[in-house]
Amino acid sequence: QKEVEQNSGPLSVPEGAIASLNCTYSDRGSQSFFWYRQYSGKSPELIMSIYSNGDKEDGRFTAQLNKASQYVSLLIRDSQPSDSATYLCAVNEGGAGSYQLTFGKGTKLSVIP
Amino acid sequence: DAEITQSPRHKITETGRQVTLACHQTWNHNNMFWYRQDLGHGLRLIHYSYGVQDTNKGEVSDGYSVSRSNTEDLPLTLESAASSQTSVYFCASSEGRFSPLHFGNGTRLTVT
Repeated sequence: QKEVEQNSGPLSVPEGAIASLNCTYSDRGSQSFFWYRQYSGKSPELIMSIYSNGDKEDGRFTAQLNKASQYVSLLIRDSQPSDSATYLCAVNEGGAGSYQLTFGKGTKLSVIP
Repeated sequence: DAEITQSPRHKITETGRQVTLACHQTWNHNNMFWYRQDLGHGLRLIHYSYGVQDTNKGEVSDGYSVSRSNTEDLPLTLESAASSQTSVYFCASSEGRFSPLHFGNGTRLTVT
């Protein structure tokens, strides 16, 4: 059973702080990793994708990937109340020929003004 | 702009009825997916298709079926709706194996 694990939270951080969200996955052969943000009652929206070990930065967001540890994280710098949402980690775990994504259950982030 | 459109946005139906949820994408993507989202379970894959006439079962396919007669559409049918199928349903598409999913706005289905 392929699994993607996230802490469900809620994770509360003060405005302006760094929020750190973590995700582990079970399939060592996974090659593509994504972070989605989902506001209550809305559909998931892509915020970051990462394919290689190391860090990838996009504005206030940094994704970190460590394939040896089967670990991917998302850092949100200068957190804003508008960042309050559920963050979903998604991994392509199906191996060759698979286009499916397996999602974690999500971490709920609350940014306190 | 390309998009994925789901309809209806909200649906209430009775146990035992057949229900079809529509999904239409203008991305021209070969890959299309149906997920359901429930509290405590996250997004779970129901069915998926990698092209016209191709359909495959996902993790929670019992009681659901799909058909793919063209690139743009992947309707999801609940053969005989059950209360356990009350959920929010998302359709998604992707371009390739390493590509992210693009999601529709979802359909909230209530089975009474």
